[in-house]
Parts: sequence; C-alpha cells; structure tokens
Amino acid sequence: AQKITQTQPGMFVQEKEAVTLDCTYDTSDPSYGLFWYKQPSSGEMIFLIYQGSYDQQNATEGRYSLNFQKARKSANLVISASQLGDSAMYFCAMREVDTGFQKLVFGTGTRLLVSP
Amino acid sequence: DVKVTQSSRYLVKRTGEKVFLECVQDMDHENMFWYRQDPGLGLRLIYFSYDVKMKEKGDIPEGYSVSREKKERFSLILESASTNQTSMYLCASSLTVGRGNQPQHFGDGTRLSIL
Repeated sequence: AQKITQTQPGMFVQEKEAVTLDCTYDTSDPSYGLFWYKQPSSGEMIFLIYQGSYDQQNATEGRYSLNFQKARKSANLVISASQLGDSAMYFCAMREVDTGFQKLVFGTGTRLLVSP
Repeated sequence: DVKVTQSSRYLVKRTGEKVFLECVQDMDHENMFWYRQDPGLGLRLIYFSYDVKMKEKGDIPEGYSVSREKKERFSLILESASTNQTSMYLCASSLTVGRGNQPQHFGDGTRLSIL
C-alpha cells in the first residue's frame, strides 16, 4: 500500500505568490516523522523541514511551513513568497519510528515551476 | 556541514559488467542508504546499513549488493549490470539519535546508464 501520496505531479506559481504542495500519509505507528526535501535539476536532495507526530505546533523554517493535520493524515508544504530558485522537484517522506533503522519512505514528488 | 560524496556524477557501463558505486560521508553517521530514483516512482530504497559490516535489504534489492567495511564508506554493487538498472542512484547518511528527527543527508547522485 502506498504510504506517502503526492497527488500533484506538477504545480505552477507566479513569483512572490504562496503555493501549497500536498502530501498525505498512511501509518498505524503513533510515533512518526514527516520530512520534505527539495531536488533542483542538478540532482542533490536538500532537506527543508521536519514535523514530528507529537509536535504540538506546525513546523516552520524561513519561507517554508508545514500544514500538519494529524486527523486527516496530511502534511502539506507551504512555500510563501515563491522565488525563481524554488523551481524544483519536492518530495514528502515519512519515517515510522517503530520500524527502526531510520528508514524513510518517499512519495513520487511534485514538480514546482515558478514563473516571473 | 554534512558532506556525502558519491564517486561519479555520470557513469556509462555495458550490460553484464560488474559496477561499483561508491559513497563516502564525513560526519561519523551510523546509517547509510542507497536509493534509486526513476521518473514517476520517487525514491526507492535498495539497501541500507546501520553499522559497519551490517546491511539490510530495502524494497528493491534484487540485482544489487552492498559493502560497508568502514563506517564512512558504503558501496553499491551491480553484480551483472542490466539495462533496467539504468537510473539515478542516490546515497544518503543519517545519525541514530533518540527517536528520530534526524534528516537523511544526500549526495549529489550518480546518473548510471547501462548500454
């Protein structure tokens, strides 16, 4: 069964606007972590933001914030004030703590294109 | 900053060859991982290692093996390369700390073509 679902293969946004990238997950483990990564065309995976299942507040890192809705099992990434350099693939990933070994399961990604 | 270095950015090999992809990390991380990335499929875990000489199969280990003789180095081996192993390969490492907000840190990837 798909554990991480990213339903938007591609998204377009104009510079300076905000954009939300969707991510839903499936787990029966009460303790888990959710990660977002950015992959520019050059290929490297860049860690953006983390949300733990027990965290009371939504995570924020600069222009990135995570809209965590635990009951709906969603962890959407919000990018505020988009920049041209935000054009990239974005991956949502989950770590189920009880599986051990710090493994991550990734979604299929969303390609974001920021236009001037 | 964590540095994960993969030995090649681009590699072209022939069917049937034995192929070695090398990965080195400089932050004393216990865990190391090999993924392959294909369009529309995201990243899929091939193998991972949580200690020297220890390895665990991931989701798609068939046709691959790994070696971890030193803590900082994790090698992926294609025993007899086939065209369906043409892909982007990504190495990552992470710490084992507590119950896990540690991100995985990735190398730049190796684009492998099997002809």
